[in-house]
Amino acid sequence: EAGVAQSPRYKIIEKRQSVAFWCNPISGHATLYWYQQILGQGPKLLIQFQNNGVVDDSQLPKDRFSAERLKGVDSTLKIQPAKLEDSAVYLCASRTGEKLFFGSGTQLSVL
Amino acid sequence: DQQVKQNSPSLSVQEGRISILNCDYTNSMFDYFLWYKKYPAEGPTFLISISSIKDKNEDGRFTVFLNKSAKHLSLHIVPSQPGDSAVYFCAALLYEGNDMRFGAGTRLTVKP
Repeated sequence: EAGVAQSPRYKIIEKRQSVAFWCNPISGHATLYWYQQILGQGPKLLIQFQNNGVVDDSQLPKDRFSAERLKGVDSTLKIQPAKLEDSAVYLCASRTGEKLFFGSGTQLSVL
Repeated sequence: DQQVKQNSPSLSVQEGRISILNCDYTNSMFDYFLWYKKYPAEGPTFLISISSIKDKNEDGRFTVFLNKSAKHLSLHIVPSQPGDSAVYFCAALLYEGNDMRFGAGTRLTVKP
């Protein structure tokens, strides 16, 4: 069974630029999550989808972050414009039962 | 909000000995508790879980204990191996709300 796919693995941008991350969850998993993990901290939920509908985006900084899940499968997370404090690993996960399965993440550095 | 806390940022043990990682939570409504393991440059991988209606779950060298009255869980690794060296995250899930919260992680180092 293929795992959660994310791209790119690494991204370096300057502040005020825009960036987008892509995620393809495990086939058949209806629930998809985007987490932000800052060095030394645990993953922090940004947004979760159930199929193509948003379940919870209460912690998403909506002035600069946006996310969509097309046709209930792939998802993209966008940051525009980026700030220095957005430097982090962005993790995508999909869920079955009580378990979340994570992709390898995108390491974002904002200079 | 810190609903899940791991108060020890690091732990070092000798190969063959027991590793005990601890986690505290504040929300008594959590349905499941999970442990994830993370190697550098990889996403967290699921290790073991326990339902809130149980107090122990075992899988090979890994055992999770849940003390609901103390809102505390622990992960025991016996015997510890150098390959267990990683960051371990404790997580708690509200099943109906799909809401999973993570602790800050504990870095385990197992010395040969």
